[in-house]
Amino acid sequence: AQSVTQPDIHITVSEGASLELRCNYSYGATPYLFWYVQSPGQGLQLLLKYFSGDTLVQGIKGFEAEFKRSQSSFNLRKPSVHWSDAAEYFCAAMNYGGATNKLIFGTGTLLAVQP
Amino acid sequence: NAGVTQTPKFRVLKTGQSMTLLCAQDMNHEYMYWYRQDPGMGLRLIHYSVGEGTTAKGEVPDGYNVSRLKKQNFLLGLESAAPSQTSVYFCASLVETVSGANVLTFGAGSRLTVL
Repeated sequence: AQSVTQPDIHITVSEGASLELRCNYSYGATPYLFWYVQSPGQGLQLLLKYFSGDTLVQGIKGFEAEFKRSQSSFNLRKPSVHWSDAAEYFCAAMNYGGATNKLIFGTGTLLAVQP
Repeated sequence: NAGVTQTPKFRVLKTGQSMTLLCAQDMNHEYMYWYRQDPGMGLRLIHYSVGEGTTAKGEVPDGYNVSRLKKQNFLLGLESAAPSQTSVYFCASLVETVSGANVLTFGAGSRLTVL
């Protein structure tokens, strides 16, 4: 079955430190890949997406993600975290060329930022 | 252009009551989706529609019904609400592009509490 796994439920980093959030997918073929961010009580905001081409994808708010086919991973990174980055982050995947375009989400990683 | 609009934003129900959540999009999108979000479980797909007059089951369809009588509207119904249906519900829509840049647009969410 298709699935997206985020192994880290909760991560705490210090402000100014680097960040990496892990995401692995299990699909028959390489899916479209996405990272979303959700601040408390808010909706979902798309940070970045990967469809094809360059495996390092730049997003908004200084985030980037790297697609690694050999590891079935799409990890999110940021060189220097700001207090405003505290939120929940969701990795998601969609079948390439699928007739339904269903987006499947991971369970999320909650990021806390220490001063 | 309002994007994806969900009504109501908040609702409290008693067990056994029925209600309908309305999702409306003004982007002429073919695909529409209903997700529920629960702590530690990410977003799970309830039902979806690939076009007017069509609906299909997602990961967690039990206890819900949907209808897509008009292209712009996707209704999610609870016939007999249960406390397990306490959740935040998100609607989303998508248009499939030639370039394959398939990105979902999400509504702001509807918080439902079943007592």
